[in-house]
Formats: sequence, C-alpha cells, structure tokens
Amino acid sequence: DTEVTQTPKHLVMGMTNKKSLKCEQHMGHRAMYWYKQKAKKPPELMFVYSYEKLSINESVPSRFSPECPNSSLLNLHLHALQPEDSALYLCASSQGHGVSYEQYFGPGTRLTVT
Amino acid sequence: AQTVTQSQPEMSVQEAETVTLSCTYDTSESDYYLFWYKQPPSRQMILVIRQEAYKQQNATENRFSVNFQKAAKSFSLKISDSQLGDAAMYFCAYRRKAGGGADGLTFGKGTHLIIQP
Repeated sequence: DTEVTQTPKHLVMGMTNKKSLKCEQHMGHRAMYWYKQKAKKPPELMFVYSYEKLSINESVPSRFSPECPNSSLLNLHLHALQPEDSALYLCASSQGHGVSYEQYFGPGTRLTVT
Repeated sequence: AQTVTQSQPEMSVQEAETVTLSCTYDTSESDYYLFWYKQPPSRQMILVIRQEAYKQQNATENRFSVNFQKAAKSFSLKISDSQLGDAAMYFCAYRRKAGGGADGLTFGKGTHLIIQP
C-alpha cells in the first residue's frame, strides 16, 4: 500500500480564518513533506519532517505552521493567509533513509483564499 | 545547489508511437536519485520511474524506460506504445542521497505530454 491521504480535498477560507490541512500515511515512513504547487508550475518544497522533527523549513512565512503529532500524521495550520497563497498543497512521505528514497504523494488539498 | 532543467514545455505524440522527454540536471554530489513523476489533470503526483546514480543500468518499468548519462548529467524518459492515459504533465526530479534521505525533491518545470488519438 503506497497511499497517502489528505483532507480536505478542497478548502475555501477568508484571510482572517484559521484552518488546518491534514495528511496521513500508514506505510511506516519516517519522513514527511509539505509542498505548494501553483497552476502550471512544479511543486515547491515548504517543510520536511524527519522522525517527527522539523528538519527543513524553506523560509516559509509564519502564517503557515506545520505540526507532526506522530510518525503517521502531518498537519499544516493556516492563519491570516493572503490570496496569493491559493494553490494546491501536496503532502508526501518517504522512508527517510535506507534503500528507498522515492516520495509518495497524496492527492492534495486545493486551497482558495478569498 | 542543484538544478533540474526540462527544455520541452510541451510534446505531442500519436497514440501507439514512441516519445522521449528530456531532462538535464546540475549537481556537485556524486550519489543521488533521479525520478520521473507524472501528474495527470487530477493533479495526483504519480511516480513513474527512478534511477540511482551509481547504477549504470538504465531503469525500466513496462513501457517506460530511461536513458541515464551520468557524465553528461542527462536523464531522459522514453515512453513506448503511447496510450491516451499517458497524457499528463511529466516532471523530472532530483534528490541527493546524503542527508539521511529526508531532503525534498528538486523538480524541473515539467513537460506537458499530449497524446493524439
């Protein structure tokens, strides 16, 4: 099973709202990732968690706050977003180290900020 | 820093024919992984094929194969017997092996593949 799930599929929020994106995997992977993808562009890395610890933060604005409650779950808390933050947010996971380095992606959350 | 370049924004091929998508990359690392991901209109990123830099043999997955030229830093994807379901955006991606495998992927800008029936 190589499934990564993400909820919600779609999210519309105002600039003053607080919302969270959720990601879950049950493959025993120890690295999890958030990417942001604008239309017709490649995904851009936002955060990396390795063994539940934040290992990479690609200078993402503080209005995005990641959280990794356990090895299977990854959240992205959103607050005071701007319209330019509208995008597809992709979660991915990988084994973290060892023989397999490919990342498996979830279906994404399509976020619209109004 | 590493970079990945896909010089073909769009490619078109007749159904059942063969098409090759190009990718070049730049890195100072000697050990790394290269991937091709497919993103159909649903926008689900699907792993197509992967290549480890230290393996000289080119990877193959059914109708998909790569031509990996490490010295030239080239990593092209060949799709044989193209099918309508192959229509998608294809991204070439790089990931270094050092760092415990927790690095993110560096993507090229993508190639939009159109399959003509």
